[in-house]
Amino acid sequence: QQQVKQSPQSLIVQKGGISIINCAYENTAFDYFPWYQQFPGKGPALLIAIRPDVSEKKEGRFTISFNKSAKQFSLHIMDSQPGDSATYFCAASILTGGGNKLTFGTGTQLKVEL
Amino acid sequence: ETGVTQSPTHLIKTRGQQVTLRCSSQSGHNTVSWYQQALGQGPQFIFQYYREEENGRGNFPPRFSGLQFPNYSSELNVNALELDDSALYLCASSSLAGVGANVLTFGAGSRLTVL
Repeated sequence: QQQVKQSPQSLIVQKGGISIINCAYENTAFDYFPWYQQFPGKGPALLIAIRPDVSEKKEGRFTISFNKSAKQFSLHIMDSQPGDSATYFCAASILTGGGNKLTFGTGTQLKVEL
Repeated sequence: ETGVTQSPTHLIKTRGQQVTLRCSSQSGHNTVSWYQQALGQGPQFIFQYYREEENGRGNFPPRFSGLQFPNYSSELNVNALELDDSALYLCASSSLAGVGANVLTFGAGSRLTVL
């Protein structure tokens, strides 16, 4: 059972454009929602994360929008750059149980073209 | 400050064999998690270790086992390898408390191919 659904599978954006990746979750017990960025040959690296008590979090060009009632969250990359070309994963976990065991989405391969 | 290091980076095994993958956690981290990432998929949680004991397990059979050592390094062992075990195995370390608690730092992974 896939608990975190991610779309689109791939995305091509022009340099300077906005990249938007969407995720939906099923388990209402999730209380931590991070986004990870993965380059070829590397492990995933934390990009930005949000807790369900806020609806938006912004760090530089990256923004998470969170809709608790719809059980959806999204990543917006403003002014997308070729260096942002990577695979992006949304994830969710329950922090209150001790430890951090992430459930990942299936990933979005982003390509930013010049 | 060193990151998470994993070894070996690549290995090839045949069906039915056993494999051991190793992970050195980031300095200051006391928790280690293992994930399996099949080609084109997101990582899937295998298990987590804290204070040398398993602290949560995903939907993986018992032939997947692990160890955590007093220095917080860890091993993942897989017995009776199957073709579907071919994947990138990721180790991630974290701490349960303090600054940056529960933020996972991933290694670059060990690419296992089962023939």
